Amino acid sequence: DTGVSQNPRHKITKRGQNVTFRCDPISEHNRLYWYRQTLGQGPEFLTYFQNEAQLEKSRLLSDRFSAERPKGSFSTLEIQRTEQGDSAMYLCASSGIAGAYEQYFGPGTRLTVT
Amino acid sequence: DAKTTQPTSMDCAEGRAANLPCNHSTISGNEYVYWYRQIHSQGPQYIIHGLKNNETNEMASLIITEDRKSSTLILPHATLRDTAVYYCIVRVATSGTYKYIFGTGTRLKVLA
Repeated sequence: DTGVSQNPRHKITKRGQNVTFRCDPISEHNRLYWYRQTLGQGPEFLTYFQNEAQLEKSRLLSDRFSAERPKGSFSTLEIQRTEQGDSAMYLCASSGIAGAYEQYFGPGTRLTVT
Repeated sequence: DAKTTQPTSMDCAEGRAANLPCNHSTISGNEYVYWYRQIHSQGPQYIIHGLKNNETNEMASLIITEDRKSSTLILPHATLRDTAVYYCIVRVATSGTYKYIFGTGTRLKVLA
């Protein structure tokens, strides 16, 4: 039984560089979520996909952020022109069929922008 | 926009029950309460959820007040491995699914 996986687990980048993270959800799950968690805070919702359609984006997701889920399987989150304020843990979660909405979280990608 | 408030931290002796309170006074009638925990550097792990009835599973019990303005998560026999940050979450409907509104969580330390 494979859970949600995320790669890389850690990323250190210099300010101004672009970074991309990948999330592989549980295989039968059609819903996929991205959250951001800063130190000492709970996770904050960023965006959500149902299959390949991106149905909601938080106002936290500035125009430097873009997320995709081609073919409704894995998802990528790209941050362009990174800033120090982007340093955080980026969490991916997935959930399954209607009526079973528990979200299963991956281990996260910790981004450090220097 | 947090919908929940929790104490920042709590201690519990190993083997004793841990009772973690949560206030969610602005919860709407169809919004569920979920509890997750997060052990250092891992993703949040699902524990239990409920709407208005008390719930129990193999990990914990959830007691929700009749007015639904607060709830308590009970770990019946805490172990050292239960040391974690516990999040009380309100699940809100959005665009064909639900999203979680996390609070800042309670850091539970189980003491030997």
